[in-house]
Amino acid sequence: DVKVTQSSRYLVKRTGEKVFLECVQDMDHENMFWYRQDPGLGLRLIYFSYDVKMKEKGDIPEGYSVSREKKERFSLILESASTNQTSMYLCARRRTLSRTTEAFFGQGTRLTVV
Amino acid sequence: AQSVTQLDSQVPVFEEAPVELRCNYSSSVSVYLFWYVQYPNQGLQLLLKYLSGSTLVKGINGFEAEFNKSQTSFHLRKPSVHISDTAEYFCAVSAPGAQKLVFGQGTRLTINP
Repeated sequence: DVKVTQSSRYLVKRTGEKVFLECVQDMDHENMFWYRQDPGLGLRLIYFSYDVKMKEKGDIPEGYSVSREKKERFSLILESASTNQTSMYLCARRRTLSRTTEAFFGQGTRLTVV
Repeated sequence: AQSVTQLDSQVPVFEEAPVELRCNYSSSVSVYLFWYVQYPNQGLQLLLKYLSGSTLVKGINGFEAEFNKSQTSFHLRKPSVHISDTAEYFCAVSAPGAQKLVFGQGTRLTINP
């Protein structure tokens, strides 16, 4: 069974804190993604990475950064958490040059910033 | 660039009734299309995908979808729903070879007994 593991299911952080969300995949997939999910807005792409140390901004990168030092791990960083970053965060992996071209998702991290 | 519109934010149906969840996409190139399901407090799980070939695609849990290129649609259907189908459903699109999937806003399916 394919796996994408997010380090926390629920997090509560204070405004201004630096927050790290961790994601680990068990396959050798090139692409990893961080999405944010909000009611009525669906999934919006924050950042993605197509290789180690390579990253590209998604649709809503402001207030976030990412790190990919190893192929299996992709971290999302909230430099200074704010209440409007309270949301569900979903990590995914995907191999594009393959018939198995769907994205596989983690269980999500529900972050509350107080 | 691709975009996806899910026409209904919420769809209530009675148990054992048929259901259709609508999805329209916009793209200047050929596309891959996906439907995902999200049960409460879980991540997304693939229901089915269209890559090429037959326009009628069958997925898990009795769901199917039909790709209609002329109408740029990929509607999801099930002939008889069960309480356990209560979930949020997302349509997504990707260009072949592209890294990103673009998602719609989601449709919340509620099954009433």
